[in-house]
Amino acid sequence: DSGVTQTPKHLITATGQRVTLRCSPRSGDLSVYWYQQSLDQGLQFLIQYYNGEERAKGNILERFSAQQFPDLHSELNLSSLELGDSALYFCASSASGYYEQFFGPGTRLTVL
Amino acid sequence: DAKTTQPTSMDCAEGRAANLPCNHSTISGNEYVYWYRQIHSQGPQYIIHGLKNNETNEMASLIITEDRKSSTLILPHATLRDTAVYYCIVRAIYNTDKLIFGTGTRLQVFP
Repeated sequence: DSGVTQTPKHLITATGQRVTLRCSPRSGDLSVYWYQQSLDQGLQFLIQYYNGEERAKGNILERFSAQQFPDLHSELNLSSLELGDSALYFCASSASGYYEQFFGPGTRLTVL
Repeated sequence: DAKTTQPTSMDCAEGRAANLPCNHSTISGNEYVYWYRQIHSQGPQYIIHGLKNNETNEMASLIITEDRKSSTLILPHATLRDTAVYYCIVRAIYNTDKLIFGTGTRLQVFP
């Protein structure tokens, strides 16, 4: 158990819909990262937050957004969902960016 | 961050040492070598990291060559639960953002 929690574990929705994925980092970790893993793309970095502020952006679509709240939990919002958004979404946290990242169990999103 | 090259797959007998190689010939002096693994769609798990000295923890050992152009992750007594995809990642000391995952090595431990 990494100490990072993600909800929900599974999510099935339809094209065009909007969903919110939630991540609670390890106690005391200020950095939160979001990654997407699809069958054809592997693990891809989406976005990083540090203590509530956006720190780095990767290949995140404009339809996707994220935020980190004062209690340090983070949410990833995916809108206008397409079939190709079906993937595993992982959240990771670290004490600061310099240290190793600890990953949550992931949310499996299926868009029908 | 430097690019890494790993074999696509490897097999190992249970109880034997698993030696997973990684080539990072373009690594620079301020870049660490990290190893993570992913067991069947679970979240990636941190294993170990090092700069230039060999490192050991309760999970594995990391051997980095003197020129730092390659490294080997050693699982001393592989078990069936070590079957996973192992990722070798090179990351600059000052880089505080993303990990860049390649395709990794799929290690199959057999009885």
